[in-house]
Amino acid sequence: EPEVTQTPSHQVTQMGQEVVLRCVPISNHLYFYWYRQILGQKVEFLVSFYNNEISEKSEIFDDQFSVERPDGSNFTLKIRSTKLEDSAMCFCASSFDRGPFNEQFFGPGTRLTVL
Amino acid sequence: DAKTTQPTSMDCAEGRAANLPCNHSTISGNEYVYWYRQIHSQGPQYIIHGLKNNETNEMASLIITEDRKSSTLILPHATLRDTAVYYCIVRVTGTASKLTFGTGTRLQVTL
Repeated sequence: EPEVTQTPSHQVTQMGQEVVLRCVPISNHLYFYWYRQILGQKVEFLVSFYNNEISEKSEIFDDQFSVERPDGSNFTLKIRSTKLEDSAMCFCASSFDRGPFNEQFFGPGTRLTVL
Repeated sequence: DAKTTQPTSMDCAEGRAANLPCNHSTISGNEYVYWYRQIHSQGPQYIIHGLKNNETNEMASLIITEDRKSSTLILPHATLRDTAVYYCIVRVTGTASKLTFGTGTRLQVTL
């Protein structure tokens, strides 16, 4: 069964450093998403992406964040200058279309630890 | 998207049916009810969704009341592997819209 994959599984970085989290969505999916979950808190939406541009973003997704689909398979989340409060599980998701059956499929997540 | 209300936690004996309720009294006509679950710290997993008819798939059944103000997710024969946080989410489909997760119901399946 096709699945969303994410690398690395765990990313440790120093405050102020840039990080890039990578995702490979399901191959025929067209819509891509990033969510995060700070330990003990809700899963929060960050951004959605379609047709090589951002469709929607949350207040969390400020100028420090960017997303890119550099090739036909990868979808990346970049944080330019990490803060301690960016420590979270970061989940990538993808969906096929916008219709009634557009369930989102989530990856296993990257645990981001900012020291 | 309409707000949902779920119990904080529930217990269920293994092999029994788990019935997880959700209230969405402000749901509008074009909003679907989706259920996802999150096992430990894994990525959320889609379970089922519906508009107004009851739905069943290999994982679960979804019962939506006639007025659509509430729904129940049924896991017919719960196993220990069904221990997870279950999220009821109401959203308009037809857009690449975000999922808004609440705190969900923590289901503990016990021997």
